[in-house]
Order: sequence, then structure tokens, then C-alpha cells
Amino acid sequence: QSALTQPRSVSGSPGQSVTISCTGTSSDVGGYKYVSWYQQLHPGKAPKLMIYDDTKRPSGVPDRFSGSKSGNTASLTISGLQADDEADYYCCSYAGSYAWVFGGGTKLTV
Amino acid sequence: EVQLVESGGGLVQPGGSLRLSCAASGFTFSSYWMSWVRQAPGKGLEWVANIKQDGSEKSYVDSVKGRFTISRDNGENSLYLQMNSLRAEDTAVYFCVRDIASRAYGSSPGYWGQGTLVTVSS
Repeated sequence: QSALTQPRSVSGSPGQSVTISCTGTSSDVGGYKYVSWYQQLHPGKAPKLMIYDDTKRPSGVPDRFSGSKSGNTASLTISGLQADDEADYYCCSYAGSYAWVFGGGTKLTV
Repeated sequence: EVQLVESGGGLVQPGGSLRLSCAASGFTFSSYWMSWVRQAPGKGLEWVANIKQDGSEKSYVDSVKGRFTISRDNGENSLYLQMNSLRAEDTAVYFCVRDIASRAYGSSPGYWGQGTLVTVSS
């Protein structure tokens, strides 16, 4: 049950694109099509689902947010950065045996 | 509209017990895996426990095995987390979470409650 590996921080200017990586193993990220991504604007407050099933976007989430995966590494790309995208972002993966594992979180600065 | 409302948090001494509850509405509770996820102050999200639709399967993060018990009452649309032998490192906001879809196993956290704060301190 080791946490997934995310960069601690990323940054970009308004209008640019950034990509946040999430690296696991063949037992979690690489083994299932169940990677999800969350935006948390304020620590201790409920995160918001941005991407699920590796690449799907819930209704209401802008298409500036996209998910992808290659092998044991999943990625969240945010294009056309806006100031209100500044937040903490977490990945999560199904890890077998009815368990989940989260990444350590990435602070995005715009 | 999916609603998840947690209650039961508070201040407890090390070694003590606490029972968290989550009242669910706006969906067919018995059709979804349910979970608890926590966030310690200044730290990231940590999955705590999952429970299957009928309660027949449960899974826990290693750090709470033997101390925490997840359960549910489908007749009352409620989820619970019984926490025993609490430690300072259990201090966190605890979120009640519903799976993104009705599936054979809990695939992804989809809907989140607002959380309830548990503080373990003497």
C-alpha cells in the first residue's frame, strides 16, 4: 500500500498548459483502468472529481482538463491555465483487493 | 442530488474510541460501494476503508487494521466507522465517499461529504 508518486509542485502562467504525473506500479495504476484525479481548493475541504476511469470527464468539468495513461504512469493535463485552477491535485488508483491508493498531491501555482 | 453528511467527530484521548456516521441521500445507497478517506492537517488524502454494497466485503489501509471497523445499514442509508485504540496520528478530517458508479468493486471515489474532524489528543 505505497502511495502513488506525484511531483510536489508544478507551475504555469495563465493560458499555458501543465501536466501532472502520477506513477504507480502494475498492481495499481498499470493494472486497472481506474485512475481518478481530484482538485482540492482548500485543505480539509471536499475534493472535486476531475477525471475518472483514466480519461473520462464528469459533466461540468471543463474540457481543458484531460487524463491519460501509459504503463504505470497516469497524467493530468490542464490546458489554457486560469487563475482559479490554482489548487492541490491528487491522483487515486484502484489497487486490487478492494483497496484504493492516493498520490501524495501536487500543488499547482498559476 | 447525491448528499453525504458526516457526523460524530470530536476530541478524544489517545486510546479512546469514536464512531463516525454518514447519512446518505439522493441515490440508491444499497447499490454502491462506500468508503472513508481521511486527511491529516497539512497532509494529503489517505484512503481508510471500503465496504461492498451488501457489506460482505471490507478492506482497510494497513495502519488501521484491527482498530477500525467499517459498516453500513442499507435500511437506514447510513455508513459508519467505528474507531478504537485511537492514536495521535489518526487526527484528521474524515470524509464519507461514494463510488463513482455502481460496480462489482469500488473503482474510484466519486462523491464526497464535507468531512468531520477527529482530534486525538490528551
